[in-house]
Amino acid sequence: GESVGLHLPTLSVQEGDNSIINCAYSNSASDYFIWYKQESGKGPQFIIDIRSNMDKRQGQRVTVLLNKTVKHLSLQIAATQPGDSAVYFCAEIQTGANNLFFGTGTRLTVIP
Amino acid sequence: DSGVTQTPKHLITATGQRVTLRCSPRSGDLSVYWYQQSLDQGLQFLIQYYNGEERAKGNILERFSAQQFPDLHSELNLSSLELGDSALYFCASSVGIGSEPGNTIYFGEGSWLTVV
Repeated sequence: GESVGLHLPTLSVQEGDNSIINCAYSNSASDYFIWYKQESGKGPQFIIDIRSNMDKRQGQRVTVLLNKTVKHLSLQIAATQPGDSAVYFCAEIQTGANNLFFGTGTRLTVIP
Repeated sequence: DSGVTQTPKHLITATGQRVTLRCSPRSGDLSVYWYQQSLDQGLQFLIQYYNGEERAKGNILERFSAQQFPDLHSELNLSSLELGDSALYFCASSVGIGSEPGNTIYFGEGSWLTVV
């Protein structure tokens, strides 16, 4: 079953502010985590990933932080833009497993 | 564009009917995954194939089946359809399997199935 969950179902931020989306996981055997963005009516779009041997990974305007001690994952979006409005999912692959398990998603709304 | 192609994009059918959803993975990808997403729900893993062989099975109903062909495209067959089967069905693909380095999983745009 799924072992990935999200703290908040919705998040509203002002344009230009930074956004932080959180995710908790329960299986210590998870070794690969991915954040996906899903816009209405579209497929999940890969944003950034991180492996369990890392604490932080940065991309363009996005940073993923992994805290293995408390089994917590976060996605930080810098200078949030209206185009960032979407549902964000964290997903995990457990060691030895082949497929992604998804959390329930957080809906990010950017207020102009 | 992820490179994963799904057809049809939209499909409306009656209860009791059977439909086939088709997926062409990204060029070079050997793994294909199928996911179901109901309205305002997360993505539920159905099944995965790697190079023609089933590798993982999730919450897939017995009325559903899938296969991956020698050319690596995949089909998801849904039979004896019920109203509750109305959902977005996503196909995803990746080069390999599991959490091996470089195995990024990319999703298609989905097939909207409405059962009436």
